[in-house]
Amino acid sequence: DAGVIQSPRHEVTEMGQEVTLRCKPISGHNSLFWYRQTMMRGLELLIYFNNNVPIDDSGMPEDRFSAKMPNASFSTLKIQPSEPRDSAVYFCASSPSGGSYEQYFGPGTRLTVT
Amino acid sequence: GENVEQHPSTLSVQEGDSAVIKCTYSDSASNYFPWYKQELGKRPQLIIDIRSNVGEKKDQRIAVTLNKTAKHFSLHITETQPEDSAVYFCAATSGGGADGLTFGKGTHLIIQP
Repeated sequence: DAGVIQSPRHEVTEMGQEVTLRCKPISGHNSLFWYRQTMMRGLELLIYFNNNVPIDDSGMPEDRFSAKMPNASFSTLKIQPSEPRDSAVYFCASSPSGGSYEQYFGPGTRLTVT
Repeated sequence: GENVEQHPSTLSVQEGDSAVIKCTYSDSASNYFPWYKQELGKRPQLIIDIRSNVGEKKDQRIAVTLNKTAKHFSLHITETQPEDSAVYFCAATSGGGADGLTFGKGTHLIIQP
């Protein structure tokens, strides 16, 4: 299994631009999570999906952030417009169902907004 | 919502000694407590976890203990080695694998040769 796949691995953009981060969960996993990591705030849950349905987006910082999961093998996190304070590492993680609790993290996308 | 406190923020131990990292949580409904290890520039990787129906779990040099009454859990690493140097995060959730994790702020473990 290739594990959770994220793209791009690095993104540098200017303030005001739209940014789209992509994630492919592990095949067969029914839950998908987006986390953000910064030095100041640590690892924070942004939003998660169960069976492609958004369950809790209370961690999404502002309306500038949106996430979708159109099918079981793909999710996007979009920031529009981006701001310098959005600079962080964004991780996607997935988890299987059926009583297995482990969450497996992707390699992350390092976003820098200048 | 859940709040997870983690201590210490930095821990330096001599190689071969033991290391203990402690976490407390606020939500009595939490039932799953994983520990992640993150090396510089890498993703968090699950090293051990415990569910609320178990008080202790061990995997070679790593063990985790859970006290539901006091709402705290701890990571124990024995016979520390240089490759144990990393940042360790505890986390908690009330929904098992179907809910998001609330993480502690992390402990930077430094193994002194």
